[in-house]
Amino acid sequence: QQPVQSPQAVILREGEDAVINCSSSKALYSVHWYRQKHGEAPVFLMILLKGGEQKGHDKISASFNEKKQQSSLYLTASQLSYSGTYFCGTENNNNDMRFGAGTRLTVKP
Amino acid sequence: DVKVTQSSRYLVKRTGEKVFLECVQDMDHENMFWYRQDPGLGLRLIYFSYDVKMKEKGDIPEGYSVSREKKERFSLILESASTNQTSMYLCASSLLAGNEQFFGPGTRLTVL
Repeated sequence: QQPVQSPQAVILREGEDAVINCSSSKALYSVHWYRQKHGEAPVFLMILLKGGEQKGHDKISASFNEKKQQSSLYLTASQLSYSGTYFCGTENNNNDMRFGAGTRLTVKP
Repeated sequence: DVKVTQSSRYLVKRTGEKVFLECVQDMDHENMFWYRQDPGLGLRLIYFSYDVKMKEKGDIPEGYSVSREKKERFSLILESASTNQTSMYLCASSLLAGNEQFFGPGTRLTVL
């Protein structure tokens, strides 16, 4: 029931862009994105509730394709502070959340 | 600000012991969750609760039980700890279903 995230890890230089994908085998009601820095708790980034909806948060944005049961997180002009592990969380009509295995993002100077 | 606290940051127990992990939130949230986090596996849902005295199994409930006697407190119980339960345990809460989840700092449990 866990959504599948790809890639598992990515290394970037400052200023480069990245895309993290999240897909589910079940119909989705919403998709959440969280970031966890080393040794800290996950922190909420954004929720996408409608199919095709795109949301932005500084230079981090996301899309949600309800039909394809997929979401993508876009990080543009990456900064050192973007480093961490990104998790997508998917919610179906049972109102319970399932998280993916995470994508470890490393931004280097 | 929402605050989710967990009773211990680090815990070491012996095989067969009964272990209690406590989680408290201070924002009157309806929903509370317990996850375990292991390298490469992400956050796996153990149990969740959407109301006092209500509980639902997640993906990996075997070997665990939970208790929610008060709205603000959600306890995870390992009836007889085993070495394969060595992990990081994260508690989270949300106001309603579908709302953002707020996580506690986690408890790193080691079972010897």
